[in-house]
Amino acid sequence: NAGVTQTPKFQVLKTGQSMTLQCAQDMNHEYMSWYRQDPGMGLRLIHYSVGAGITDQGEVPNGYNVSRSTTEDFPLRLLSAAPSQTSVYFCASSFAGQGETEAFFGQGTRLTVV
Amino acid sequence: GENVEQHPSTLSVQEGDSAVIKCTYSDSASNYFPWYKQELGKRPQLIIDIRSNVGEKKDQRIAVTLNKTAKHFSLHITETQPEDSAVYFCAASHGNEKLTFGTGTRLTIIP
Repeated sequence: NAGVTQTPKFQVLKTGQSMTLQCAQDMNHEYMSWYRQDPGMGLRLIHYSVGAGITDQGEVPNGYNVSRSTTEDFPLRLLSAAPSQTSVYFCASSFAGQGETEAFFGQGTRLTVV
Repeated sequence: GENVEQHPSTLSVQEGDSAVIKCTYSDSASNYFPWYKQELGKRPQLIIDIRSNVGEKKDQRIAVTLNKTAKHFSLHITETQPEDSAVYFCAASHGNEKLTFGTGTRLTIIP
């Protein structure tokens, strides 16, 4: 059982380039989210999805797009990379409802924009 | 939206002593409060969580307490061990589709 898989693990981009961070989960979780982690700022929510075809903005959505065409996949697109987007990105997934609600995180993508 | 404050930002304790990390939240509708541990270079992993219908929950050396009236919750680690050294994050949410995290506490256990 792979859990939550993110690719790539490391990426260097030039300012203005675009790219897609991939996230896939094999646990049939309804909820998926993208967070960025910066020193001293914890994890901040970028975008989230409560199911296929449904996405919404989090705390820091500017400069990022998402889509959720399947339950398993939730890619994060950087439209035009900026140095301020240098960060570690984590994807997470969880079941909906009151039962098993633990959010499982991927291994992270360390992105550097130069 | 929800705002979570976490204190202290760094904490050093002698091995065997207890550690306490405190968080406050702003949204009275929040009803789910997990705690995550993140080791250096690794992903966050859930160590314990509590729902708003419970005041305290314990799992071996780890316990979480919740005061809904004051809107604060705390993580207690007893008999600390070197492997407890990590960054700990509290979080809050209404339901669990999106979590608002605190800024983290770097816990160092001194042998």
